[in-house]
Amino acid sequence: QVQLVESGGGVVQPGRSLRLSCAASGFSFSNYGMNWVRQTPGKGLEWVATISFHGSNKHYADSVKGRFSISRDNSKNIVLLQMNSLRPEDTALYFCARDHLAYYSDSSGYCDYWGQGTLVTVSS
Amino acid sequence: DVQVTQSPSSVAASVGDSVTITCRASQGIGSWLAWYQQKPGKAPQLIIYAASSLQTGVPSRFSGSESGTDFTLTISDLQPEDFATYYCQQGKSFPRTFGQGTKLEIK
Repeated sequence: QVQLVESGGGVVQPGRSLRLSCAASGFSFSNYGMNWVRQTPGKGLEWVATISFHGSNKHYADSVKGRFSISRDNSKNIVLLQMNSLRPEDTALYFCARDHLAYYSDSSGYCDYWGQGTLVTVSS
Repeated sequence: DVQVTQSPSSVAASVGDSVTITCRASQGIGSWLAWYQQKPGKAPQLIIYAASSLQTGVPSRFSGSESGTDFTLTISDLQPEDFATYYCQQGKSFPRTFGQGTKLEIK
């Protein structure tokens, strides 16, 4: 069955960096775009970044553009989110999520499988 | 950017009732809208995509419709497991945007 397992969260000081990882299994990982979505405790969902199945197309929310970088390793079935210059407002539960359909050159638009999330807390 | 405005922010209903949740897009997005269900402590679950297509495994009491830039999620014959928070999300363009969420509570 499809499984997405995030790791790498933790407590970090403002201005520091953190790298999140999402390990995928149970499907042909290299055929699907992947996404990061975050949720502030007790609040709504915010899309963060998307990477196409081949890794060539990447998109970012304005709130993280220039600070966060999404990447993937199709040989290891992992997607990464490198987070630099972290701010208190980046504090959230970060979910990894799979694109609904395979082979879209950019993204199929929706997410059908989600991990359980990894918590990032940015605080001094 | 496409904004999606979801309403109401909360609604109370009883088991067996029907409820309707609405999302309005700030510009035309065709049928590029999804609905997710989220229960406390859990990840969101895709229930409707492309405005009206039911995700595999989702009960048929869930349905979606569209009229221009207005999108509706209807849940008929509410069951105890349906009480959760629901989000809409547009998939037409980047940045992807979510509605603010609707908390469906038991009356």
